[in-house]
Amino acid sequence: GENVEQHPSTLSVQEGDSAVIKCTYSDSASNYFPWYKQELGKRPQLIIDIRSNVGEKKDQRIAVTLNKTAKHFSLHITETQPEDSAVYFCAAGGISGGYQKVTFGTGTKLQVIP
Amino acid sequence: NAGVTQTPKFQVLKTGQSMTLQCAQDMNHEYMSWYRQDPGMGLRLIHYSVGAGITDQGEVPNGYNVSRSTTEDFPLRLLSAAPSQTSVYFCATASGTNSYEQYFGPGTRLTVT
Repeated sequence: GENVEQHPSTLSVQEGDSAVIKCTYSDSASNYFPWYKQELGKRPQLIIDIRSNVGEKKDQRIAVTLNKTAKHFSLHITETQPEDSAVYFCAAGGISGGYQKVTFGTGTKLQVIP
Repeated sequence: NAGVTQTPKFQVLKTGQSMTLQCAQDMNHEYMSWYRQDPGMGLRLIHYSVGAGITDQGEVPNGYNVSRSTTEDFPLRLLSAAPSQTSVYFCATASGTNSYEQYFGPGTRLTVT
């Protein structure tokens, strides 16, 4: 099955700096790569996603890049703000056994220091 | 429009007890799944369903049962609770074949003593 590795597990940045979280996946058939943000005590929520036919996608201060050859993808947050503090999960999705499945990474706890 | 709801929010069980975690959705999504979240281990898939009457095992199915008799409901049953099942449980839905985006419920925090 799919295996998703995520680094780092914790990340502290000063407010205004950039943050980068990296993930690798193992199944070359995966074709969907979402990122979820989970604030303390809340449910995970989708913040951005990318499909395998696209190399980069941006949404305001958030961007995701995908390198299919190397099987890795990254989340970039620019001009970080205290409200960006949360746990971020990457995931890789694709058809497995005839059904769509999503496998999550282990999460990165981002702390933005004011 | 409530989205995805889960009950209870918190539960404490003794080892060996059984219980059912409830998940309901009003989004008419075909795809429903259960995850458990443990520190440092991300979200791990327990069971999933692609429609009423169809369920399958995920990554960590042992000790759990599911059924899907309606589109709206997807209960998760713990047969004989063990301390290793102490976790936060999330139900999630997705619309169907061409959409992987998952919508999570608020979660159930379960403690087994």
